[in-house]
Amino acid sequence: AQSVTQLDSQVPVFEEAPVELRCNYSSSVSVYLFWYVQYPNQGLQLLLKYLSGSTLVKGINGFEAEFNKSQTSFHLRKPSVHISDTAEYFCAVTRYSSASKIIFGSGTRLSIRP
Amino acid sequence: ETGVTQSPTHLIKTRGQQVTLRCSSQSGHNTVSWYQQALGQGPQFIFQYYREEENGRGNFPPRFSGLQFPNYSSELNVNALELDDSALYLCASSSEQADYGYTFGSGTRLTVV
Repeated sequence: AQSVTQLDSQVPVFEEAPVELRCNYSSSVSVYLFWYVQYPNQGLQLLLKYLSGSTLVKGINGFEAEFNKSQTSFHLRKPSVHISDTAEYFCAVTRYSSASKIIFGSGTRLSIRP
Repeated sequence: ETGVTQSPTHLIKTRGQQVTLRCSSQSGHNTVSWYQQALGQGPQFIFQYYREEENGRGNFPPRFSGLQFPNYSSELNVNALELDDSALYLCASSSEQADYGYTFGSGTRLTVV
């Protein structure tokens, strides 16, 4: 079975500061990894995904994440945040299977202070 | 290409009633998954349909059921509604060619009173 742990439920940062949202996963098989963003009263939008290859993945809105197999981590980073980045961020995993469900973490609320 | 469309956007039902939520998958996607997101939590997998057959189910009771139609649109049915069923219900579509790029709809907010 797979599981995802998002280590911080809330992360407050000042505008234009860097941010890191932490994610650790557990799985006995190889997995794909994702970060999704959810703005208030909206569905989920894919920020980025790691399937294979380079461990540094670049996504939309200036976000990037690094897959670390030895530490089973997939932390999300942005060098300079904006007010518009205020949202809930979810880390997620799925197995290599067309029938596989996505397992989500509990989410991290990113709040940006001016 | 169109994204995933869910209807209705909001719904209020009384405990014990039945509800049907609808989802139109993204063009070219043949796999549809449903998730329940309670307030302040991450989405929880309900079930998945692939080419009109259920091929995966999460830890939800049988009163949660679904259908997928030949055009790959889908329905989620919940019978005997309970107060704890109040949540945002998300539909996601994908395909083998989409590299696990699940596309989510904006969800249906169900309130059970």
